[in-house]
Amino acid sequence: SQQGEEDPQALSIQEGENATMNCSYKTSINNLQWYRQNSGRGLVHLILIRSNEREKHSGRLRVTLDTSKKSSSLLITASRAADTASYFCATVTTSGTYKYIFGTGTRLKVLA
Amino acid sequence: DGGITQSPKYLFRKEGQNVTLSCEQNLNHDAMYWYRQDPGQGLRLIYYSQIVNDFQKGDIAEGYSVSREKKESFPLTVTSAQKNPTAFYLCASRNGGYTEAFFGQGTRLTVV
Repeated sequence: SQQGEEDPQALSIQEGENATMNCSYKTSINNLQWYRQNSGRGLVHLILIRSNEREKHSGRLRVTLDTSKKSSSLLITASRAADTASYFCATVTTSGTYKYIFGTGTRLKVLA
Repeated sequence: DGGITQSPKYLFRKEGQNVTLSCEQNLNHDAMYWYRQDPGQGLRLIYYSQIVNDFQKGDIAEGYSVSREKKESFPLTVTSAQKNPTAFYLCASRNGGYTEAFFGQGTRLTVV
């Protein structure tokens, strides 16, 4: 399977704390994306980082990418109860066939 | 409003019956995708289509079929050959280039 892996599988923090989740993947990529999924709903795109970028910010989100280690991390700062969701990374390869390969996800619970 | 509409939200099927899940988008996107999600799991690719009248198998295509006769529609049929069809099914689309996916709200299929 080409599916990537994320860790931790589950994370529980207090409101106001930072949450960090990691993603590892297996193939060469064009870009890596992070998505959020609320329980029983579809996925929502959060941020995209290209293979030639090392860090990207969007509001309270910070994403890093290390292509030599085939890994990425998502940092959510000053978390809120509304951030409670599952977070997935998805890679897009350079093979010419454009498909998204998703990781296994991190379930984040932010306690008020 | 532009978006992707999946219907129905919940679907019950008797064993041995085929069932078709609907996915319609009015975003004018060329590419469309079907993913399967099992409880606590990541997304696995069933089929994808880069353009009308063309589609390719994903990682878990056995027991599923699709058609892409119109740009806005990409229905998925779950056949009786699919041994374990109970799952959450997600449809997505993409505009051209190396960009993000837009997801529908999903269809939860239960075999009874």
